Amino acid sequence: DVKVTQSSRYLVKRTGEKVFLECVQDMDHENMFWYRQDPGLGLRLIYFSYDVKMKEKGDIPEGYSVSREKKERFSLILESASTNQTSMYLCASSSPRGAGYTFGSGTRLTVV
Amino acid sequence: GENVEQHPSTLSVQEGDSAVIKCTYSDSASNYFPWYKQELGKGPQLIIDIRSNVGEKKDQRIAVTLNKTAKHFSLHITETQPEDSAVYFCAASNLWKAGTALIFGKGTTLSVSS
Repeated sequence: DVKVTQSSRYLVKRTGEKVFLECVQDMDHENMFWYRQDPGLGLRLIYFSYDVKMKEKGDIPEGYSVSREKKERFSLILESASTNQTSMYLCASSSPRGAGYTFGSGTRLTVV
Repeated sequence: GENVEQHPSTLSVQEGDSAVIKCTYSDSASNYFPWYKQELGKGPQLIIDIRSNVGEKKDQRIAVTLNKTAKHFSLHITETQPEDSAVYFCAASNLWKAGTALIFGKGTTLSVSS
């Protein structure tokens, strides 16, 4: 069964910590995405990547960075976590033309 | 950039009734419109999609319609069942433009009561 795996389901971090959220896909997809999900705001695009070492800013990139050193792995980095980054983070991947995203189960991050 | 508006934000129906969720998009270059279903504790899953060269698509109890002129598309669920209760998201993108991603609506929470 093809899948997108996010390393943690729940994470609690302190304000100011550097946080790494990891995502791995086994479908050999070129495209990978990070979205943030908040009640009433839907899914908002943070960053995406359409190739190894390539990255594009989404709608809300401030406070985040990403790393894609291997095709199957896409990491989201919170350089200095803040309480307003408490949220559900969803990773997804897709084939080159972008149809049919496959999502992971999400990481619920709480910053205290 | 693209902006997707989704209505209603919540929808409650009786089992067996139909449910309709509507979305509008702003970028006339968008040509791909998927719908995702998110159950509690899970990531969104694609349930149906439509491309701009098609006006309607059906898959059993679900259907999607697209009006390119008005820039809106809708999800129709017939004979609703309790297991249809979930959050539904519409999205839009231009599949032929490199370096773009799906832009999602804010979601509709559908509750089906038996």
